[in-house]
Amino acid sequence: QVQLVQSGAEVKKPGASVKVSCKASGYTFTGYYIHWVRQAPGQGLEWMGRINPNTGVTDYAQYFRGRVTMTRDTSISTVYMELSRLTSDDTAVYSCARGPGNGASYSTHWGQGTLVTVSS
Amino acid sequence: DIQMTQSPSTLSASVGDRVTVTCRASQSIRSWLAWYQQKPGTAPKLLIYKASSLEGGVPSRFSGSGSGTEFTLTINSLQPDDFATYYCQQYDSYATFGPGTRVEI
Repeated sequence: QVQLVQSGAEVKKPGASVKVSCKASGYTFTGYYIHWVRQAPGQGLEWMGRINPNTGVTDYAQYFRGRVTMTRDTSISTVYMELSRLTSDDTAVYSCARGPGNGASYSTHWGQGTLVTVSS
Repeated sequence: DIQMTQSPSTLSASVGDRVTVTCRASQSIRSWLAWYQQKPGTAPKLLIYKASSLEGGVPSRFSGSGSGTEFTLTINSLQPDDFATYYCQQYDSYATFGPGTRVEI
């Protein structure tokens, strides 16, 4: 079965960077886009961007451009999301999610989420 | 960027009710719209894609309609398990979520 397993919770200081991993299993890793979505406490969902694990090509939401980097390692079926210059507003649960396989940017399967807390 | 709005933000309903949630896009997104259900502390669950296509395993009491800029999610005969927050998402140009509609008792 499709599984996306993310790295554990992080606590970071303002100005630092965080890198969250998402390990995929149960399907052909290179066949499906991976999206990153975050949700601040008590708030809604925010799409951050996506990566094509086959080519490494990325698309980022305008709000995050210049601050987010998504990469992949096909040898271990893992995608990474790094967010830099963190502020308290970046405190949120960060989730990876798999697309449907046709390039569309909705998500059919989700990771368990990674809580990133930014605090001095 | 395409902006998404949802109404209402909160909806009070009873078991057995028919419920409708509206989602609007700031420009035409054709039929590239998905609906998700989210319960506290859990990942969103895909209900509908391409505005009206039901994801596998989703009960038939859920349905979606619309195209262009206005869309609706309808839940027929609301069940206790349906009390949750519902999000629309456009994927015509990258992706954007709506702010959510909480369906409460």
